[in-house]
Amino acid sequence: GENVEQHPSTLSVQEGDSAVIKCTYSDSASNYFPWYKQELGKRPQLIIDIRSNVGEKKDQRIAVTLNKTAKHFSLHITETQPEDSAVYFCAARALNQGGKLIFGQGTELSVKP
Amino acid sequence: DAGVIQSPRHEVTEMGQEVTLRCKPISGHNSLFWYRQTMMRGLELLIYFNNNVPIDDSGMPEDRFSAKMPNASFSTLKIQPSEPRDSAVYFCASSPRLAESDTQYFGPGTRLTVL
Repeated sequence: GENVEQHPSTLSVQEGDSAVIKCTYSDSASNYFPWYKQELGKRPQLIIDIRSNVGEKKDQRIAVTLNKTAKHFSLHITETQPEDSAVYFCAARALNQGGKLIFGQGTELSVKP
Repeated sequence: DAGVIQSPRHEVTEMGQEVTLRCKPISGHNSLFWYRQTMMRGLELLIYFNNNVPIDDSGMPEDRFSAKMPNASFSTLKIQPSEPRDSAVYFCASSPRLAESDTQYFGPGTRLTVL
């Protein structure tokens, strides 16, 4: 089955800097890769997703890139702000696993003012 | 426009007691997922349903855990008997259809503490 590895587990940046979080997956059949943001005590919320027929997707300060050959995808946050501080989870879904999302272990991002 | 609703939001119980967590998915969604979140194990999928039918329960940790979805608007996750190691936040999520690339919307979670 699918296995998702996420790095780093913690990331601290200065306000205004960029942050990059990387994930690798094992199942080449995976074709959908969402990213969730979870603030302390809150539910995970989708912030961006990418499908396997696309290499990059942007939404304002957030972008995700996908390298199918290497089986890795990354979240990029530019011009970070203190409100970006949260735990970020990547996930992968394989067609042969129905609706299951396999989540990475999470990255705790801290943006220091 | 209501999102996924979970109850209770917090539950404190003693070891050995039965615990029932409840979830109401977003209206019109026909896939429902139960997750458990702990610091040690992260987000784990316990079970998911499509059109009220359990599709994959391989994540259910043991026989003490059971889940039902009697209709499209209600699901329960039951732990009997509960143990301290079951302490976690339990999330329910729903999705429009069991197909590739559909977003899962999470409920607010139930924080369970077993003493």
